[in-house]
Amino acid sequence: EAGVAQSPRYKIIEKRQSVAFWCNPISGHATLYWYQQILGQGPKLLIQFQNNGVVDDSQLPKDRFSAERLKGVDSTLKIQPAKLEDSAVYLCASSGTSRDTQYFGPGTRLTVL
Amino acid sequence: AQSVTQLDSQVPVFEEAPVELRCNYSSSVSVYLFWYVQYPNQGLQLLLKYLSGSTLVESINGFEAEFNKSQTSFHLRKPSVHISDTAEYFCAVSKAAGNKLTFGGGTRVLVKP
Repeated sequence: EAGVAQSPRYKIIEKRQSVAFWCNPISGHATLYWYQQILGQGPKLLIQFQNNGVVDDSQLPKDRFSAERLKGVDSTLKIQPAKLEDSAVYLCASSGTSRDTQYFGPGTRLTVL
Repeated sequence: AQSVTQLDSQVPVFEEAPVELRCNYSSSVSVYLFWYVQYPNQGLQLLLKYLSGSTLVESINGFEAEFNKSQTSFHLRKPSVHISDTAEYFCAVSKAAGNKLTFGGGTRVLVKP
């Protein structure tokens, strides 16, 4: 069974530029999560989708971050414009239902200069 | 709101020695408890989880954790570590009725020969 796929693996941008990350969850998984992991800290949930609907986006900085999950499969996370403090690893995870184990992708490491 | 505290940010340990990683949580509701491991340059992998039943849970690679409700703890132990156990370990909790994970800050384990 293929795992959670993410791309790109690494991205370096200048502050105030835009960036987008892509996630393909495990086939058949209805629930998809985006986490932000700042160096030296544990991951923090940004947004949770159930199929293509948002379940929790309470910690998503909505003035600059957006996410969508069209057709309830792949998802994209966008930052526009990026700030220095957005430098982090962005992790995507999926689970069969909201009560199942979450499986994580390898992450996208973002560096904002 | 829930929170997780991992009391040790780094734990150096010699090969074949025992190790214990401490995790305490706070929550006003029942929780599920998890330990995830992150090997260098890899994504998070589930090590073990407590959902209900026996308070002692084990992983396939020799780790075990014990849920202590009165002390709100879920410490992780291994009686004899290998070099390959060098990694960062994250404790996490989620509400019993949902699956948003709240992570601790992580404990970096460095196994020395």
